[in-house]
Amino acid sequence: QQKVQQSPESLTVSEGAMASLNCTFSDRSSDNFRWYRQHSGKGLEVLVSIFSDGEKEEGSFTAHLNRASLHVFLHIREPQPSDSALYLCAVRGNYNQGKLIFGQGTKLSIKP
Amino acid sequence: EAAVTQSPRNKVAVTGGKVTLSCNQTNNHNNMYWYRQDTGHGLRLIHYSYGAGSTEKGDIPDGYKASRPSQENFSLILELATPSQTSVYFCASGDATSQNTLYFGAGTRLSVL
Repeated sequence: QQKVQQSPESLTVSEGAMASLNCTFSDRSSDNFRWYRQHSGKGLEVLVSIFSDGEKEEGSFTAHLNRASLHVFLHIREPQPSDSALYLCAVRGNYNQGKLIFGQGTKLSIKP
Repeated sequence: EAAVTQSPRNKVAVTGGKVTLSCNQTNNHNNMYWYRQDTGHGLRLIHYSYGAGSTEKGDIPDGYKASRPSQENFSLILELATPSQTSVYFCASGDATSQNTLYFGAGTRLSVL
């Protein structure tokens, strides 16, 4: 059974400072990784998808995948208060019939 | 962008009552999903579907049924609602045409009293 864990549970950074979120997974054969953002009371919006080791940038969001170490990171460049939200990592592996497994999320707060 | 619409947005039900949550997508995705979101658990998959007429059990299907009468519509049915089913429910769609990116509805907040 694929396990997806996110850290930290919550994170506060100042406006304009880099925010870094971590996601670890258990299935090294996983091939499909996504970061989603959820503002309070809203649905999920996909931020960045990555399918191979290395980096993928989408606007101010950069995903960094290292399958050997079982980590996928999300870096947010120059975050604004509007980036305050719950950030969810989702991983698809060969277990669970290829379904996406979500982490429990990191609550990010951006201080003005 | 994918459009997924859920109804109702909020629902209060009584224990033992029947609840139906509806989902409609307008992007012709083959696959649709129902998740619930609870603090500390992230999103957990309840049921999913590969197309009209198909329903599959997810990771936590007990107490739930699903129905996919058409490509566009996917319902989640609680035949006998219990307080433990109080949660926020999300519907999503996606398939190979979206590189398996899931597009989510805005959610339904269900309270079972």
